Amino acid sequence: NAGVTQTPKFQVLKTGQSMTLQCAQDMNHEYMSWYRQDPGMGLRLIHYSVGAGITDQGEVPNGYNVSRSTTEDFPLRLLSAAPSQTSVYFCASSYLRQGNEQFFGPGTRLTVL
Amino acid sequence: GNSVTQMEGPVTLSEEAFLTINCTYTATGYPSLFWYVQYPGEGLQLLLKATKADDKGSNKGFEATYRKETTSFHLEKGSVQVSDSAVYFCALYSNTGNQFYFGTGTSLTVIP
Repeated sequence: NAGVTQTPKFQVLKTGQSMTLQCAQDMNHEYMSWYRQDPGMGLRLIHYSVGAGITDQGEVPNGYNVSRSTTEDFPLRLLSAAPSQTSVYFCASSYLRQGNEQFFGPGTRLTVL
Repeated sequence: GNSVTQMEGPVTLSEEAFLTINCTYTATGYPSLFWYVQYPGEGLQLLLKATKADDKGSNKGFEATYRKETTSFHLEKGSVQVSDSAVYFCALYSNTGNQFYFGTGTSLTVIP
């Protein structure tokens, strides 16, 4: 099992550009989520999904879109990048059952100039 | 609502010292509780978990007990090593919200 994979590992964008961060898991997990990690802020939930075709907003969804067309994939789209979106982004997945932990990807470090 | 409050850092300890990182929570229903560890430049990985009151999770010498009466899940280790230097996150999962909730993280540095 590859677990949770994320691409790219690093990305530099200019203000106003768009891009998609990729996330995939091979564990047949129902639940997938995106977080951003900023110094002193811990992890903040951007969007999450409880299954294919179902997505919902987390704490900081503005400026980001998601879709879940398959169980395996959960891409995060930045529509028009802003310097405030400079962060480290983590994708995570889990079974949707009490007691089951989330598995995290290695992260994408994004810089918006 | 659901939330996790975690001890502020950073924490600096000498090797072989005793470690406690405090974590308290508020939750609706009966949450599961977790401690995750993040080493520099890496993603989070599960350290231990507990799924019901009075359960004790343990791994690599770390322990935490699910205390419903004090709504706490404090992380402890009797003798830390330099290799334990990392950021530690307390988290809960509540099926009433279908979300995981994380504390802000506590940075631990262990010096030889």
